[in-house]
Amino acid sequence: NAGVTQTPKFQVLKTGQSMTLQCAQDMNHEYMSWYRQDPGMGLRLIHYSVGAGITDQGEVPNGYNVSRSTTEDFPLRLLSAAPSQTSVYFCASSSLRTLDRADTQYFGPGTRLTVL
Amino acid sequence: GQQLNQSPQSMFIQEGEDVSMNCTSSSIFNTWLWYKQDPGEGPVLLIALYKAGELTSNGRLTAQFGITRKDSFLNISASIPSDVGIYFCAGYLYNFNKFYFGSGTKLNVKP
Repeated sequence: NAGVTQTPKFQVLKTGQSMTLQCAQDMNHEYMSWYRQDPGMGLRLIHYSVGAGITDQGEVPNGYNVSRSTTEDFPLRLLSAAPSQTSVYFCASSSLRTLDRADTQYFGPGTRLTVL
Repeated sequence: GQQLNQSPQSMFIQEGEDVSMNCTSSSIFNTWLWYKQDPGEGPVLLIALYKAGELTSNGRLTAQFGITRKDSFLNISASIPSDVGIYFCAGYLYNFNKFYFGSGTKLNVKP
């Protein structure tokens, strides 16, 4: 049981390049999400998904796309990288077993992205 | 978006002291979570709270879900050097299917 895995761990891009950050979980969790973490800003939600085929925007979605074709995978795509997207990106997953509570949310180890 | 106000921003304490930090919001949350993040790592869940008034312990850590559902606190007793890190609160809103995070409390413990 690997939990939440993310690849790559580090990435350097040039402005304008595109790339996909990978996230996978093996806990059969319905809920998956992407956050970015910047110094002094805490964690800000980019996109999230409550199940395969369903995605929605978070607090800071501009410049990012997501898809959820399977329960296990939730990739994050940067369409045209900008220096403002330099950050640490975390993927997380959670089970939504009942209507009024969320199971605990588990985080991956993060991807450290630098855009030059 | 929803705002979680977490305080204090940072703390410098002596080993053995007790620590208290809290989160407040203008919104009612369904779940409160407390995480710890070590440098270069992802946040790790410490305590999850699901009901107003709930008081839960995890070793030297104790957290409470406020009666109004708009706040939560985390206490660490008898701090040790490995408690150093950044502590985050998070609230979950069922109607929005979203978790919201505080900006973190950076804890420094002097041996």
